[in-house]
Amino acid sequence: SQKIEQNSEALNIQEGKTATLTCNYTNYSPAYLQWYRQDPGRGPVFLLLIRENEKEKRKERLKVTFDTTLKQSLFHITASQPADSATYLCALDGYGGATNKLIFGTGTLLAVQP
Amino acid sequence: GAVVSQHPSRVICKSGTSVKIECRSLDFQATTMFWYRQFPKQSLMLMATSNEGSKATYEQGVEKDKFLINHASLTLSTLTVTSAHPEDSSFYICSARSPSGTGQYFGPGTRLTVT
Repeated sequence: SQKIEQNSEALNIQEGKTATLTCNYTNYSPAYLQWYRQDPGRGPVFLLLIRENEKEKRKERLKVTFDTTLKQSLFHITASQPADSATYLCALDGYGGATNKLIFGTGTLLAVQP
Repeated sequence: GAVVSQHPSRVICKSGTSVKIECRSLDFQATTMFWYRQFPKQSLMLMATSNEGSKATYEQGVEKDKFLINHASLTLSTLTVTSAHPEDSSFYICSARSPSGTGQYFGPGTRLTVT
């Protein structure tokens, strides 16, 4: 069956360090992979999208890599800040062959300590 | 930027009653919207795809007669939970594809509690 796993339920790091979150998937070949941020009691907010033919994407302090051979995406936040504390979700695009139909990972709760 | 709103943000209803949740795209047209459900400490689960002017497409295991979806205009989709039961208590979130085609815009969610 299709499965998306994110590295851990929670990740604690010190302010200023780089946070690295992992998204692994099986039995699936997505055309796109997306990353979202979700704060408690709120809907997810889109952060980055990376295509299957792209290795890396950057946006300000965020960097995403996509390895279709390993079936893995890494999400990095450099110079982390307490305001970056949230749950981060990866999502595969193209579930059931339909573009923009997303299947979400389990999420990683990031806590950045001041 | 593009915004998706939901109403109400919270609703409490008695078991056996029906509840309607609205999802609106505020400054763009959305021919397709998506409805998700999220239980505490779990990820979002896609329930159905709402298509303007046609029937919704439901995911496996989601009862179409229980979760009625209507997408009557390019900016409004509604989800009606019929004959609600306590196990329907959850966080319901809608989304719409961004006009640029990159990512989706999610609503703020509706917390449904069935007593």
